[in-house]
Amino acid sequence: DAGITQSPRHKVTETGTPVTLRCHQTENHRYMYWYRQDPGHGLRLIHYSYGVKDTDKGEVSDGYSVSRSKTEDFLLTLESATSSQTSVYFCAISVNSAPNTGELFFGEGSRLTVL
Amino acid sequence: GENVEQHPSTLSVQEGDSAVIKCTYSDSASNYFPWYKQELGKGPQLIIDIRSNVGEKKDQRIAVTLNKTAKHFSLHITETQPEDSAVYFCAASKGTGFQKLVFGTGTRLLVSP
Repeated sequence: DAGITQSPRHKVTETGTPVTLRCHQTENHRYMYWYRQDPGHGLRLIHYSYGVKDTDKGEVSDGYSVSRSKTEDFLLTLESATSSQTSVYFCAISVNSAPNTGELFFGEGSRLTVL
Repeated sequence: GENVEQHPSTLSVQEGDSAVIKCTYSDSASNYFPWYKQELGKGPQLIIDIRSNVGEKKDQRIAVTLNKTAKHFSLHITETQPEDSAVYFCAASKGTGFQKLVFGTGTRLLVSP
């Protein structure tokens, strides 16, 4: 499982509240990603990171911010949650040993419900 | 940007039959095409991938074919088993450095005993 832990695994919150999801890895991999998964849309990239303090936007970044102050942690923040952000969020990493092989290792997912 | 379409959205087969899932992509510069399997309650897991310099790749009961001219690629599963039941995603990327994969919408495969 490439040592990926997501927390929380389940969260219910109300519209307008801030939410932070955490992705923690234990193997010092450089590249980390946040995806959201929705029926009919597959997996869509929200933000990604290529090192400490180095992050960039994916295809659905509006309403989300990220931070990576340590190699092992990649945080996804919803500053003011909306019902459209109800989704399952997956963190992924690509391993340092093979940066160009393309294999992503995914966490178990965080299910977020915004009421 | 890249757009990946995947069909069918659901596929039901009998155990032992073959299953085929098809994807098309829009960006001719894409050169890396992985397939992921997602079991219930888990994250997707890579099962096979192919690069644009190869037309076909096999790994036991699964195979992937790529037609660069038509910009489509397919996943073939032979002798399906109930444990093959899952959601399958295709994806495409340009494969430069880190992977910004664009995923298809997924196919739910159900294999009945």
